[in-house]
Amino acid sequence: EAQVTQNPRYLITVTGKKLTVTCSQNMNHEYMSWYRQDPGLGLRQIYYSMNVEVTDKGDVPEGYKVSRKEKRNFPLILESPSPNQTSLYFCASSLIGDFNEQFFGPGTRLTVL
Amino acid sequence: GESVGLHLPTLSVQEGDNSIINCAYSNSASDYFIWYKQESGKGPQFIIDIRSNMDKRQGQRVTVLLNKTVKHLSLQIAATQPGDSAVYFCAENRGAGSGTYKYIFGTGTRLKVLA
Repeated sequence: EAQVTQNPRYLITVTGKKLTVTCSQNMNHEYMSWYRQDPGLGLRQIYYSMNVEVTDKGDVPEGYKVSRKEKRNFPLILESPSPNQTSLYFCASSLIGDFNEQFFGPGTRLTVL
Repeated sequence: GESVGLHLPTLSVQEGDNSIINCAYSNSASDYFIWYKQESGKGPQFIIDIRSNMDKRQGQRVTVLLNKTVKHLSLQIAATQPGDSAVYFCAENRGAGSGTYKYIFGTGTRLKVLA
């Protein structure tokens, strides 16, 4: 089944404890992206990647890192999480030739205490 | 399911009627405009997109209209069904023409279909 998977789906952590949210897609998509969703603010793009070893900042990259070492994986790293990073996170992927048709993962609910 | 917005504007429509969801955008330089649907507890799902040099595009039961003069985008859903109940987001793609692919999303509209 073609899909985008994220792990973990739910995470409660404490301020300053490094964490990684994994994202994997099995559709051979070049484009991958991370978003956060907060009530009243819609989705905001954190980082995106056009292909392996190519990443770029979205609108809200502060406090986050990403890497794209393999085409299928695009992990989101929070080196020192803070409470204002409590949010619902979505990973998405698409083909470069059809870039607007992004396929989203199920989301990761992160709480930073 | 997950709460995607506590105070979203809400559109209530009778089943079988047509729905029109509106969106105002800010950047006249955006290359594409996109509509996504998000059901409770799920990630957004692509519906349809329109390039900035077009003013109308039709899909299956949906039509997107783009008015660049007033920077307005709308999604029309024909014969609205209970399965259309969801939050709808408009989004702008900025930079596709120059090789960058940033997306700016609106805050969403909740569509409620009344039986």
